[in-house]
Amino acid sequence: GQQLNQSPQSMFIQEGEDVSMNCTSSSIFNTWLWYKQDPGEGPVLLIALYKAGELTSNGRLTAQFGITRKDSFLNISASIPSDVGIYFCAGPHYGGSQGNLIFGKGTKLSVKP
Amino acid sequence: KAGVTQTPRYLIKTRGQQVTLSCSPISGHRSVSWYQQTPGQGLQFLFEYFSETQRNKGNFPGRFSGRQFSNSRSEMNVSTLELGDSALYLCASSSTGGSYEQYFGPGTRLTVT
Repeated sequence: GQQLNQSPQSMFIQEGEDVSMNCTSSSIFNTWLWYKQDPGEGPVLLIALYKAGELTSNGRLTAQFGITRKDSFLNISASIPSDVGIYFCAGPHYGGSQGNLIFGKGTKLSVKP
Repeated sequence: KAGVTQTPRYLIKTRGQQVTLSCSPISGHRSVSWYQQTPGQGLQFLFEYFSETQRNKGNFPGRFSGRQFSNSRSEMNVSTLELGDSALYLCASSSTGGSYEQYFGPGTRLTVT
């Protein structure tokens, strides 16, 4: 079945650093969504991508819809402590309805000790 | 606009009991989806309701059921609880226009003992 693979699984950030993560699939997706989840809370939608090659920004966050439609990338520039959390990519399940999303397992961002 | 609300936030139940969780979507949203989130399996789609009809169902046993009311509020029910049902249950709503962008509530943390 469809799967979304996120990498890295976890990473440590130091304030001010740029962060990159990606999401890949063996299937084509027509929409990519990026969410952030803080402990004890539900995921919050960060960016939605609808077109291959599209580059979209939301403040210090920039996401790209891969040309092959099988991957997407999320970059965070000049990270700050509140960027800590788990970042998920998601896309609509093939043949599924509007409300049926598949999620990656997440990239966990932590602060460097 | 108020966000998605879920009640209760925390619940402790005993194996064999049943539980009902409630979700109120963003005003004007008619699509409501439910997800189960566990450390091992991540976020998994349970079902989606639209205009009081189940539009899609994930790969979960029949013990998991749901419904939607005419005001778009939704409930999900889990009968004969098992230890493995312990999870964060998330509700998400989407606008009527067919967008894949889903907005999540804070979740209900269910612990089965």
